[in-house]
Amino acid sequence: QVQLQESGPGLVEPSETLSLTCTVSGSAISLFYWNWVRQSPGKGLEWVGYLFYEGTITYNPSLKSRATISVDTSKNEISLKLKSVTFADTATYYCTREGLDYNYMDVWGKGTTVTVSS
Amino acid sequence: EIVMTQSPATLSLSPGERATLSCRASQSISNKLAWYQQKPGQAPRLLIYGASTRATGIPARFSGSGSGTEFTLTISSLQSEDFVVYYCQQYNNWPPWTFGQGTKVEIK
Repeated sequence: QVQLQESGPGLVEPSETLSLTCTVSGSAISLFYWNWVRQSPGKGLEWVGYLFYEGTITYNPSLKSRATISVDTSKNEISLKLKSVTFADTATYYCTREGLDYNYMDVWGKGTTVTVSS
Repeated sequence: EIVMTQSPATLSLSPGERATLSCRASQSISNKLAWYQQKPGQAPRLLIYGASTRATGIPARFSGSGSGTEFTLTISSLQSEDFVVYYCQQYNNWPPWTFGQGTKVEIK
């Protein structure tokens, strides 16, 4: 059974860097794309970016180059770093799996909530 | 960026009724559309992909249709657990992948 588990600090101060990890189990990292999607309180879903293990990474232009997604295949982990956070980055962050040949998100983690506050 | 517009924002219906949710893309996305269901406090779950194919384990009362710019999610007979939020997402043009703002199906 495929499982994605997000983790990270629940609280980040403004202007600091948010760091999250997604631990993948039951699925080969090399066979899929891996996305980060976030959802602000009471709001809709926003795609943050995605990664393929060999190095292809694409980000949502709206994040203005603040995001960095990386992979550690030895640990089966996908990471997200978001620098210079503001209150607007307060959200639940989801890790999702996307097929190489189908591009929709068929597996989602439970999400981790991050609050930006001083 | 492709803008996805869902309507209505809220749909008030009774159990057993038929629900029709709409999703419109700002430009053609062929059939590259997915629907997700989100229950309170949970992550979204894939319902439909390719505009009309049910994901594994999704009940037959859920169906999707459409292509190009107009799409519909139909729930043929609402069950109590269906009164939640639904999102559409296009995966034809990126970056970015984009979602609709959601439709909440509530009990009338």
